[in-house]
Amino acid sequence: QVQLVESGGGLVKPGGSLRLSCAASGFTFSNYYMSWIRQAPGKGLEWISYISNSGTTLYHADSVKGRFTISRDNAKNSLYLQMNSLRVEDTAVYYCARATVGGTGKWFDPWGQGTLVTVSS
Amino acid sequence: DIQMTQSPSSLSASVGDRVTITCRASQTISSYLNWYQQKPGKAPKLLIYAASSLQSGVPSRFSGRGFGTDFTLTISSLQPEDFATYYCQQSYSTPPYTFGQGTKLEIK
Repeated sequence: QVQLVESGGGLVKPGGSLRLSCAASGFTFSNYYMSWIRQAPGKGLEWISYISNSGTTLYHADSVKGRFTISRDNAKNSLYLQMNSLRVEDTAVYYCARATVGGTGKWFDPWGQGTLVTVSS
Repeated sequence: DIQMTQSPSSLSASVGDRVTITCRASQTISSYLNWYQQKPGKAPKLLIYAASSLQSGVPSRFSGRGFGTDFTLTISSLQPEDFATYYCQQSYSTPPYTFGQGTKLEIK
C-alpha cells in the first residue's frame, strides 16, 4: 500500500540545523510531486515546500525561504527537508505528503504520520 | 498570497445532524479547492478534491460544492467518527497553497 514515513525530527537549539527525511513506498515515487506541510502545537496546517517529480522545480513559503530547502532522491524513493537557522516558531509536527496534479488543481494524499521538531534552548 | 477563511471556527452538532462548513477565498480560485479531515494526533486525510470530487473510500455523506471564491463542505448525517477538525486548502496556480484556519466539529 501507499506509505510515507517521516524521520529526523527532534530537539534542536535556536540557530541549529536539522534534516528531515520521508521514505516513500507502494507507488512510483518519481512520477509524483511532493510537499512538506507543518502544524505548530495546537494550531492549523501550514504548507511550506513543494517539489516537482524531477526535482527541478521548487517552491518554499516565505516563512521558510532562504532557511529551508526541499529536495528528493528518486533512486532512493526519498524526500528531504534541510532546515537551517531554526527558530522557536519552527516548532511543529512536519508532514510529508504526495501531491497529485490534475486538471483542476493539486491535492495532497496520502500524508505521512509526521515527525516532531522542537526548537528550544 | 491567497487567504482562505473558514466559518465557523467551531461547531457543536449531534449524531444524525446535517452540517455545512464554509470556506471563502480572498480571490477567485476556480474549483482548485480541497477539504481535509484531521483527528487528534493523526495526519490529515483528503476528503474532497477539486471542490466537489469525493476521494476514493470516503463515505458518500460527505459532499463539496462551490466555484470561484465560495465553497462548502456538507456532511449529510453526522456519524460518531466524523467529529474532527476540517480544513480547506486552495491549490490555484503556483504556491503557496494556503489552508483555512480549520473548523472543529464537536459533539453536542
